[in-house]
Amino acid sequence: RKEVEQDPGPFNVPEGATVAFNCTYSNSASQSFFWYRQDCRKEPKLLMSVYSSGNEDGRFTAQLNRASQYISLLIRDSKLSDSATYLCVVARGSSNTGKLIFGQGTTLQVKP
Amino acid sequence: EPEVTQTPSHQVTQMGQEVILRCVPISNHLYFYWYRQILGQKVEFLVSFYNNEISEKSEIFDDQFSVERPDGSNFTLKIRSTKLEDSAMYFCASREGYLDGYTFGSGTRLTVV
Repeated sequence: RKEVEQDPGPFNVPEGATVAFNCTYSNSASQSFFWYRQDCRKEPKLLMSVYSSGNEDGRFTAQLNRASQYISLLIRDSKLSDSATYLCVVARGSSNTGKLIFGQGTTLQVKP
Repeated sequence: EPEVTQTPSHQVTQMGQEVILRCVPISNHLYFYWYRQILGQKVEFLVSFYNNEISEKSEIFDDQFSVERPDGSNFTLKIRSTKLEDSAMYFCASREGYLDGYTFGSGTRLTVV
C-alpha cells in the first residue's frame, strides 16, 4: 500500500469552478502535512501547511482529519493559472530528519 | 526571497561515469535534503543531512551515492557509477528548523545514456 495516496486525475474543470482533492496517508506517525504545487518539470512549491483545525489561504482551504488519516484541499473560483499537479505531502521522522513523503499528485486542468 | 540554487540545470553523462550535483541551500538553514523524481513518477526521498552528517537515508541511497557539505555553503550529491535508471530530476531542499517549511531548488535533470 502506498504511504500517501491521491487520485491522479486529471480533473478538468471550467474557470470559476470549485474543485476538491483528497488524500489519505497510512502511517499514523506522520507529524506534519502539506499541499505542494508542481508545474510541469519544475520543483515542488509549498502551497500551504495543513492543520486539524482547518486553514484557509485566499481561495484555498485545507483540512486534516487525523482520526481518518485524511487530508483535503478545496480550491474555489478556479483560475487558468491553477492548472498544475497538486501534491499531498506528509512529514515524519526524528527531530534530525523530518523527511517528506509525497503522494503521486493530482493533475488539475482549468479550462476557459 | 531566499532561494536554494542548484547547478547544473541539466547534466548528460555516460553510464558508469561519476556525477556531482551541486546545491547551495539558504544560508541560515540547518537541514538539507536530496530528493529525486523519475519522469512521470512521484518525488522520492533520498537522504537528509543535519549537523554535518547523514541523519537518514532511503533504500535508494546505496553505496553509489554520497553527500558532502565541504564548506559552509555547498551541499553536493555524488553518484559514483551512474546507471540508466539514475536518470531523473534531482531536487535539493533545505529548511531552517524542524517545524519549518521546506524550500526546494529548481532541480538538476540528470540523463544517463
